[in-house]
Amino acid sequence: GESVGLHLPTLSVQEGDNSIINCAYSNSASDYFIWYKQESGKGPQFIIDIRSNMDKRQGQRVTVLLNKTVKHLSLQIAATQPGDSAVYFCAENTNQAGTALIFGKGTTLSVSS
Amino acid sequence: GAVVSQHPSRVICKSGTSVKIECRSLDFQATTMFWYRQFPKQSLMLMATSNEGSKATYEQGVEKDKFLINHASLTLSTLTVTSAHPEDSSFYICSARLAAGTDTQYFGPGTRLTVL
Repeated sequence: GESVGLHLPTLSVQEGDNSIINCAYSNSASDYFIWYKQESGKGPQFIIDIRSNMDKRQGQRVTVLLNKTVKHLSLQIAATQPGDSAVYFCAENTNQAGTALIFGKGTTLSVSS
Repeated sequence: GAVVSQHPSRVICKSGTSVKIECRSLDFQATTMFWYRQFPKQSLMLMATSNEGSKATYEQGVEKDKFLINHASLTLSTLTVTSAHPEDSSFYICSARLAAGTDTQYFGPGTRLTVL
């Protein structure tokens, strides 16, 4: 079964707000985590990643936080825009050669103007 | 960034026929490619791991004789759905690992399969 899950299936925000999407993982051997954005009918698009030796990583308008103690991952999107509306998945990998990514269930982010 | 393509983007076929889906890494060589299936409103589920020059490794519950995977070159993996049935209708997505020993994967745009 899946070892990665999400706390909320949907998140609705107003344009300009900050969004926080959460993810819980159960495999303590996982040491690499990725957030993907998937728009309807398209493949997943890489957003940001983080390795287990870090607890925070920032990108353009996005920040990923990793709490290994409670096995929790979050994606923060600053100044959310309508174009951010999509399904967001967290994924984990155990950094072994050939190991595939395990995806969480996904959170649907809806941004209204 | 690295680009992965899939062909066709969508296909409709009759029940009982076979359908081949191609996954190509356009500007890099991929020793490992992965095939996922995604049903509506659900997450991506790994079907198999495809390594160039060797047999694919299938996940539990995925029939290897029904979902034939061939990874004949470092830039191409194919998934053939044999004797397709309506329950095989899904969104099939491939990904390619940039290089051995790295984590970075790039995803294709997906193929929508509809079996009538």
